[in-house]
Amino acid sequence: LAKTTQPISMDSYEGQEVNITCSHNNIATNDYITWYQQFPSQGPRFIIQGYKTKVTNEVASLFIPADRKSSTLSLPRVSLSDTAVYYCLVGALLNTPLVFGKGTRLSVIA
Amino acid sequence: NAGVTQTPKFRILKIGQSMTLQCTQDMNHNYMYWYRQDPGMGLKLIYYSVGAGITDKGEVPNGYNVSRSTTEDFPLRLELAAPSQTSVYFCASSYGTGDTDTQYFGPGTRLTVL
Repeated sequence: LAKTTQPISMDSYEGQEVNITCSHNNIATNDYITWYQQFPSQGPRFIIQGYKTKVTNEVASLFIPADRKSSTLSLPRVSLSDTAVYYCLVGALLNTPLVFGKGTRLSVIA
Repeated sequence: NAGVTQTPKFRILKIGQSMTLQCTQDMNHNYMYWYRQDPGMGLKLIYYSVGAGITDKGEVPNGYNVSRSTTEDFPLRLELAAPSQTSVYFCASSYGTGDTDTQYFGPGTRLTVL
């Protein structure tokens, strides 16, 4: 499984765009990049998933450069309710269960 | 759909006691997982199952057992509870088909071993 590295924590003010970058230098050809969000006292929730270039949904965007050795989760105009831990996972999903690291703790400040 | 349900929500055990954490999903998912999450840490995979009758170890299986007799249920058994097993336990499920997959998590069981 590709090892991922992401910042331990980030702070942001309400209304700003937040970008969380994840490094995965040994990503394999079959690997996908998946991000989950976890609020306190809840289980993680799927946010977005991609293989290359850019993916966008109603919650976030995921940017993946051509070499796929990193990815960036972009949250537009964050609010206090976006305060959570964000996990980056990399793997060929059906081969071996994905590994959750410590994630990035995002704190949104009013 | 109720999604993934877990019981109980909270439990306090004494050292050496045993218990079963229940997990049920109603989405007809093939794959099911058990994770534990210690305070301030990420999730660690305990066991997983790719279908009824098939289970496999994750990162931290010691002290736990699982079974998967039906598609819907994936109970986690703790034998001889120890303080190191104090944690929040999450069950998850996914379809397990195609190139991509999404895990759906239950609300968690908060276990304290004293």
